Amino acid sequence: DAMVIQNPRYQVTQFGKPVTLSCSQTLNHNVMYWYQQKSSQAPKLLFHYYDKDFNNEADTPDNFQSRRPNTSFCFLDIRSPGLGDAAMYLCATRMSGANVLTFGAGSRLTVL
Amino acid sequence: DQQVKQNSPSLSVQEGRISILNCDYTNSMFDYFLWYKKYPAEGPTFLISISSIKDKNEDGRFTVFLNKSAKHLSLHIVPSQPGDSAVYFCAASRTGNQFYFGTGTSLTVIP
Repeated sequence: DAMVIQNPRYQVTQFGKPVTLSCSQTLNHNVMYWYQQKSSQAPKLLFHYYDKDFNNEADTPDNFQSRRPNTSFCFLDIRSPGLGDAAMYLCATRMSGANVLTFGAGSRLTVL
Repeated sequence: DQQVKQNSPSLSVQEGRISILNCDYTNSMFDYFLWYKKYPAEGPTFLISISSIKDKNEDGRFTVFLNKSAKHLSLHIVPSQPGDSAVYFCAASRTGNQFYFGTGTSLTVIP
């Protein structure tokens, strides 16, 4: 089945220790998104790629970086995680022209 | 600033009755609206959507209503089933590129 796969599903890191979350998709969608969702809050868009074009949300902290080496993969790098970065990180994809996002299962980050 | 709002964090409904989930938005430029359903430990899954040129869209037990003048949309589930128990997120987009989500409403359908 075509899908969006996020790894790892659960990540525990120490304060300040860099973390990389990955997202892969078999849908061949050209638009990919990273959302951060904290408990009882709305998913918050961090950035998205339209093909190779990177679009950063104005209020996304510099601590968050992203890479998209090819159509299928996208990475979220958190350079120095703080306690406030503990959240669920959701990857989503979309084909341009379509209005529906397809989400992965998410990666839950815990910062100790 | 939250552009999409779901003011009811939770809702409980008896099995077989109607569930009504509400959503308000502030940006009149939004032209597409969606509802997503999320089970614990899973990502959100698409449920139903509506374009701003319509005021109603129906898919089986699920109907979404859009009131543009009030900047309000609602999701009706009838009849409600225990398997519908989940968190429901409302989302809106403009030009189809950026999607903004509400905080979700946790629906519990009581058998």
